[in-house]
Amino acid sequence: EIVLTQSPGTLSLSPGERATLSCRASQSVSSSYLAWYQQKPGQAPRLLIYGASSRATGIPDRFSGSGSGTDFTLTISRLEPEDFAVYYCQQYGSSPVTFGQGTKLEIK
Amino acid sequence: QVQLQESGPGLVKPSQTLSLTCTVSGGSISSGGYYWSWIRQHPGKGLEWIGYIYYSGSTYYNPSLKSRVTISVDTSKNQFSLKLSSVTAADTAVYYCARGSGWLLVYFDYWGQGTLVTVSS
Repeated sequence: EIVLTQSPGTLSLSPGERATLSCRASQSVSSSYLAWYQQKPGQAPRLLIYGASSRATGIPDRFSGSGSGTDFTLTISRLEPEDFAVYYCQQYGSSPVTFGQGTKLEIK
Repeated sequence: QVQLQESGPGLVKPSQTLSLTCTVSGGSISSGGYYWSWIRQHPGKGLEWIGYIYYSGSTYYNPSLKSRVTISVDTSKNQFSLKLSSVTAADTAVYYCARGSGWLLVYFDYWGQGTLVTVSS
């Protein structure tokens, strides 16, 4: 199975700053079938990005995804207070679908 | 707007079978095009895909859990269900149902709120 490694484990930034989160796959993710989710405490994950770079319905354009092959990035251009959460990547290019271990984005 | 809601016991004894149901509203399971999924999250940990089912009854399971998992669908009630047998404390987790989009391999665009299942005697 494909192992996804997210870095950093924790990212400390201030509102208004730019956040760059990384997701690296142990082997190539076919067709860029990679998704990103945001999870806040006590809530279910929320889909942000699918197909590596397509924003899900209702997701603000400050969220963007990029990458291909084994290296993917989620960028939040200007952090809002509500963006501080845990972010997970997920590959659905091969079975079984797998998730990364998460990056916690915390307020500095 | 599709909504999903998990239901079932919050406490299961070791060696017994965990049973959960997900009720879907705002859309019909039998309309096809989506994979109705179970995902779990151990306390303070990441996400683990358990399996999913298509409205036709075709199922796809995580190999790591396949021997213990059964997912079924009841289109008349717009529900799908999870059974996990021979549970241990390692199965204590928040269990989510979700809708999978894509073809055979999917991402998850709608989620239930999750239900905590504790395995303990």
